[in-house]
Amino acid sequence: NAGVTQTPKFRVLKTGQSMTLLCAQDMNHEYMYWYRQDPGMGLRLIHYSVGEGTTAKGEVPDGYNVSRLKKQNFLLGLESAAPSQTSVYFCASSYGGGLAGEGVRRNEQFFGPGTRLTVL
Amino acid sequence: KNQVEQSPQSLIILEGKNCTLQCNYTVSPFSNLRWYKQDTGRGPVSLTIMTFSENTKSNGRYTATLDADTKQSSLHITASQLSDSASYICVVRANSGGYQKVTFGIGTKLQVIP
Repeated sequence: NAGVTQTPKFRVLKTGQSMTLLCAQDMNHEYMYWYRQDPGMGLRLIHYSVGEGTTAKGEVPDGYNVSRLKKQNFLLGLESAAPSQTSVYFCASSYGGGLAGEGVRRNEQFFGPGTRLTVL
Repeated sequence: KNQVEQSPQSLIILEGKNCTLQCNYTVSPFSNLRWYKQDTGRGPVSLTIMTFSENTKSNGRYTATLDADTKQSSLHITASQLSDSASYICVVRANSGGYQKVTFGIGTKLQVIP
């Protein structure tokens, strides 16, 4: 199993350009997440999905859109990139979503290798 | 506001030595706490998980402790190896009306030198 994969690994954009980051998982997980990691800050949740066809906003959703057309894929889009979106982006997936009463092992998040994005 | 604070921010130790990393949290109501290891240029990987009723959990040379009363956790690494060089992230889940919310610490960057 490949686990969680992300495409591309690196990207440089100019302000105003658009792009899509692709995340794929082969573990049949229901839940998928997009995070950004910035220096001096913990991982912050951008958007997440609780299943195919669903998406929801996280802590820092502005400037991003997502889609989950297939269970195994979770796409993160930047419509008009800004320098403030320079960051390392991580995708993660989990079998469970951390609902009350759920076994803790079900909500372990498995992370992809990250995409380093620079917006000039 | 739920917060997770880790100390020290960075640490350099000699290969073979032990070290302890700290995590203090204000997350409430508490559900569980995980320690993740993040190698440079990679995504985080779970090391241990502890619930309210557990006060210690081991994974090889890694031992995590939890004091839910003082809201503190530590990660002890024994006989460090060069491959232990990484960032260690403390992650705390809170129960929130049926959905558990996750708060990530900034991490402690550990460097093991020969």
